[in-house]
Amino acid sequence: AQTVTQSQPEMSVQEAETVTLSCTYDTSESDYYLFWYKQPPSRQMILVIRQEAYKQQNATENRFSVNFQKAAKSFSLKISDSQLGDAAMYFCAYRSPNNNDMRFGAGTRLTVKP
Amino acid sequence: KAGVTQTPRYLIKTRGQQVTLSCSPISGHRSVSWYQQTPGQGLQFLFEYFSETQRNKGNFPGRFSGRQFSNSRSEMNVSTLELGDSALYLCASSLFPGIQETQYFGPGTRLLVL
Repeated sequence: AQTVTQSQPEMSVQEAETVTLSCTYDTSESDYYLFWYKQPPSRQMILVIRQEAYKQQNATENRFSVNFQKAAKSFSLKISDSQLGDAAMYFCAYRSPNNNDMRFGAGTRLTVKP
Repeated sequence: KAGVTQTPRYLIKTRGQQVTLSCSPISGHRSVSWYQQTPGQGLQFLFEYFSETQRNKGNFPGRFSGRQFSNSRSEMNVSTLELGDSALYLCASSLFPGIQETQYFGPGTRLLVL
């Protein structure tokens, strides 16, 4: 079964600086999708960025980018120029083409210090 | 476009009771997935519906069931509630099922079982 591991329960970053959140996953599949979702306190979860496994190019969305290392089964999220509004729980997720369900990591709580 | 809506937002029940939660997807979205979020187990996939058919089910007991209506609205039902069913239940919708589809999450229904 596919598992997703986020080894950093909490992270902290100074406003305007850069932070990287780690995610590793375990799978025997070759085709899948990876996602980073953000869940602000008491607000709904929103998609930050996604990566298709067959694409070697790392996905980028404005200040958010990923470092996708397929062989290492690693999918880290880099947030540049951190803003106070980036404070949230960040979940890494894996979606399999076989059963189509989404497997989530335990989450990383990001604090942004002014 | 209105986002995913879930009703009710908060619910208190006692052990042994049953509960029904409702989810209205984004207009035009035909796929609805349900997730359970708890501090201990994190985010776990419950089931996915498309065209009124359950396409996929997570590893939950039969007390958890759901359905989808012709207008794509979905309900999930939990019978014989247990204390461990206390959780935030999230609904997510997408245009179609499929790993390439972006899921949009609702605000969730927070269920407390006493």
